[in-house]
Amino acid sequence: AQSVTQLDSHVSVSEGTPVLLRCNYSSSYSPSLFWYVQHPNKGLQLLLKYTSAATLVKGINGFEAEFKKSETSFHLTKPSAHMSDAAEYFCVVSPFNSGGYQKVTFGTGTKLQVIP
Amino acid sequence: ETGVTQTPRHLVMGMTNKKSLKCEQHLGHNAMYWYKQSAKKPLELMFVYSLEERVENNSVPSRFSPECPNSSHLFLHLHTLQPEDSALYLCASSQVGSTDTQYFGPGTRLTVL
Repeated sequence: AQSVTQLDSHVSVSEGTPVLLRCNYSSSYSPSLFWYVQHPNKGLQLLLKYTSAATLVKGINGFEAEFKKSETSFHLTKPSAHMSDAAEYFCVVSPFNSGGYQKVTFGTGTKLQVIP
Repeated sequence: ETGVTQTPRHLVMGMTNKKSLKCEQHLGHNAMYWYKQSAKKPLELMFVYSLEERVENNSVPSRFSPECPNSSHLFLHLHTLQPEDSALYLCASSQVGSTDTQYFGPGTRLTVL
């Protein structure tokens, strides 16, 4: 069994300030973890993924996330927010190397607002 | 074209119409997915095709009928829909047997009148 909890449904930051989007997961197996971003009326775009290699994962557009097994967390960060970062972000968990199609579980999403 | 494409991007239909959504992936993947995304609800997995066989059907009403003629194409046939079926329908693909990611198309925004 697996689940993912995004702790904040909305986050608001000023342009140029750091971004922190929080995600906690539970999994019976070693998980793969992903962050996706969705701009309004668009599909989901992969930001980054963790699949049991380095615990600090760098993604596109300056985002990164750190896998912390002891805290069962995979928080997404960015040092300096840009207006174009305003979107909804989804944390996703799946069993690592499930050997079949991916049984992924999506979080409920965090909407990021960036204030000029 | 690259990635995952979906057509049409927008669709308005009456409750008695029959229409189809199309998804095509150009990534060489062998699993494809339909998701429904409604306002204020989590993403809902509807159907999964793996190696062209349907492997998951998450209690989706029969007015939604998927079809996967080959590993690159996925359809969602719609008939006698309800207004509550209005949503963004997303298609995704992945490679079976690896930890690789699901790649999503841009979605079809469906409005049922």
